[in-house]
Amino acid sequence: GENVEQHPSTLSVQEGDSAVIKCTYSDSASNYFPWYKQELGKRPQLIIDIRSNVGEKKDQRIAVTLNKTAKHFSLHITETQPEDSAVYFCAAEPGGTSYGKLTFGQGTILTVHP
Amino acid sequence: DAMVIQNPRYQVTQFGKPVTLSCSQTLNHNVMYWYQQKSSQAPKLLFHYYDKDFNNEADTPDNFQSRRPNTSFCFLDIRSPGLGDAAMYLCASVGGYGNEKLFFGSGTQLSVL
Repeated sequence: GENVEQHPSTLSVQEGDSAVIKCTYSDSASNYFPWYKQELGKRPQLIIDIRSNVGEKKDQRIAVTLNKTAKHFSLHITETQPEDSAVYFCAAEPGGTSYGKLTFGQGTILTVHP
Repeated sequence: DAMVIQNPRYQVTQFGKPVTLSCSQTLNHNVMYWYQQKSSQAPKLLFHYYDKDFNNEADTPDNFQSRRPNTSFCFLDIRSPGLGDAAMYLCASVGGYGNEKLFFGSGTQLSVL
């Protein structure tokens, strides 16, 4: 089955700095890669996603890049703000009809210091 | 975001006492999921329904069962909860091909005493 590795497990940055979280996956058939933000005690919320036919996608201060050959994808947050502090999870979805059948990375605790 | 609704938000049960968690969605999605998330861990898929077809993950304990009486509702039954089953249980739904964004409900935090 799919295995997703996520690094780093914790990340501490100063407000205004950039933050980068990286994930690798094992199943070359995976074709959909969402990122979720989870605040303490709340549900994971989808913040950005990318499909395997796209190399990069951007939405305001967040961007995701995908290298399908190397089987890794990254989340980039620019101009970080204290409200960006949360746990971030990457995930991978197998191809075929496995919609929503996500394998998650271990999570990254992001702390943005004012 | 309120379109996948889970009740209750917090559930306390006793060791070995059966408990049922409920989920409903107003999105008319074909696919519904139950994920288990233990403290400081990633969500882990327990099982999912594609329409009425039930799909169990290989490592989901027999103690966990699910029912989907119609498109909108899905239930998670824990027959004999153990202390290790204390977790956040997240329901989610997906529309299917071309609509794969997974939306989670608010979750039910289960405590086992």
